[in-house]
Amino acid sequence: AQTVTQSQPEMSVQEAETVTLSCTYDTSENNYYLFWYKQPPSRQMILVIRQEAYKQQNATENRFSVNFQKAAKSFSLKISDSQLGDTAMYFCAFARGTSYGKLTFGQGTILTVHP
Amino acid sequence: DVKVTQSSRYLVKRTGEKVFLECVQDMDHENMFWYRQDPGLGLRLIYFSYDVKMKEKGDIPEGYSVSREKKERFSLILESASTNQTSMYLCASSPRGQQLLNEKLFFGSGTQLSVL
Repeated sequence: AQTVTQSQPEMSVQEAETVTLSCTYDTSENNYYLFWYKQPPSRQMILVIRQEAYKQQNATENRFSVNFQKAAKSFSLKISDSQLGDTAMYFCAFARGTSYGKLTFGQGTILTVHP
Repeated sequence: DVKVTQSSRYLVKRTGEKVFLECVQDMDHENMFWYRQDPGLGLRLIYFSYDVKMKEKGDIPEGYSVSREKKERFSLILESASTNQTSMYLCASSPRGQQLLNEKLFFGSGTQLSVL
């Protein structure tokens, strides 16, 4: 079975600063995907970024980037130039390559961006 | 715009009641999921369905059942609600195809269920 661990229950950052959220996972699979989802107070889950395990290059989406360390089974999210709208719960998630969207989620990290 | 709609945003029920949580998607997706979200535990998969009338148990199916009679609708049923089923319930859908290569999960806005 896969496990995903987010060891930071809460984080805070000043507007325009950079923050990194940590995630580690455990699996024996070779074909898998990793995700970061954002859940703002509206409760709507939003996909932030996705990484395919077979790709060595770290995924980036505008101000969001990941540091994917496959051997260490680590998948951290870096948010640059933090904005007030980034305030949300962030979930790290894992999916096997054949899972049809069955995700294993971490515990979540509440991120607060202060003005 | 794609939509996954959950019938209730908040729901309060009594212990022992039969509870139905409804989810409808308008994207013609084959796959539908029910997750439960609890503080400190993240989201956990209860059941999923990959086609009409097809279902599989997720990680925590005990105390729940599901129904998928039409492609667009996936219902979660609590046969006899208990206080430990007080939680946020999230429905999601995704298309079949190349698994997650070019797809993503589309989530509803959740139903906060309180069982008293």
